[in-house]
Amino acid sequence: TQLLEQSPQFLSIQEGENLTVYCNSSSVFSSLQWYRQEPGEGPVLLVTVVTGGEVKKLKRLTFQFGDARKDSSLHITAAQPGDTGLYLCAGVDSNYQLIWGAGTKLIIKP
Amino acid sequence: DVKVTQSSRYLVKRTGEKVFLECVQDMDHENMFWYRQDPGLGLRLIYFSYDVKMKEKGDIPEGYSVSREKKERFSLILESASTNQTSMYLCASSLGPVGSYEQYFGPGTRLTVT
Repeated sequence: TQLLEQSPQFLSIQEGENLTVYCNSSSVFSSLQWYRQEPGEGPVLLVTVVTGGEVKKLKRLTFQFGDARKDSSLHITAAQPGDTGLYLCAGVDSNYQLIWGAGTKLIIKP
Repeated sequence: DVKVTQSSRYLVKRTGEKVFLECVQDMDHENMFWYRQDPGLGLRLIYFSYDVKMKEKGDIPEGYSVSREKKERFSLILESASTNQTSMYLCASSLGPVGSYEQYFGPGTRLTVT
């Protein structure tokens, strides 16, 4: 059974701080997706990383795919209250199935 | 903009009832999916469909069935609801295979079975 472990499960920090969320697996993925889900809504795709070592930036969010394509990280610089939400990672396996992490619940306090 | 709508935001049903969850997408997507989302477990795939009248079991199909009579509509059926099916149910659609095409999610239906 493929697993995608996200850490931390919960993070509550003050506005302006930096944070990193991790997504780790023993399996290799062809690509990895990051989603954000706000209360009462479905997940929305933020980014897809495909190449080992790839780094993508989305304003204050930086996404990195590990060299071996088994892990990924999401770094947020100077977090804002609008960043509050549930962050989910999902890896695409060799059968084109999505393997989901359990999510990181992020709260940014003003 | 792609829009995926789900028939109900909140639903309360009794044990043993037959439950229908409806999902409609307006972008002519080939693929549609049903997930359930539980705290600490992430999203788990129940069923998916890659064409009209076609369906494939996901990771947790037991206790559920689906119907896709029209391309835009994908229904999830709980034949006899049980308390362990209390959950958030999310529908999604995509133009093509996951990994190559973005999945668009509906707002979810929070189902409580008492």
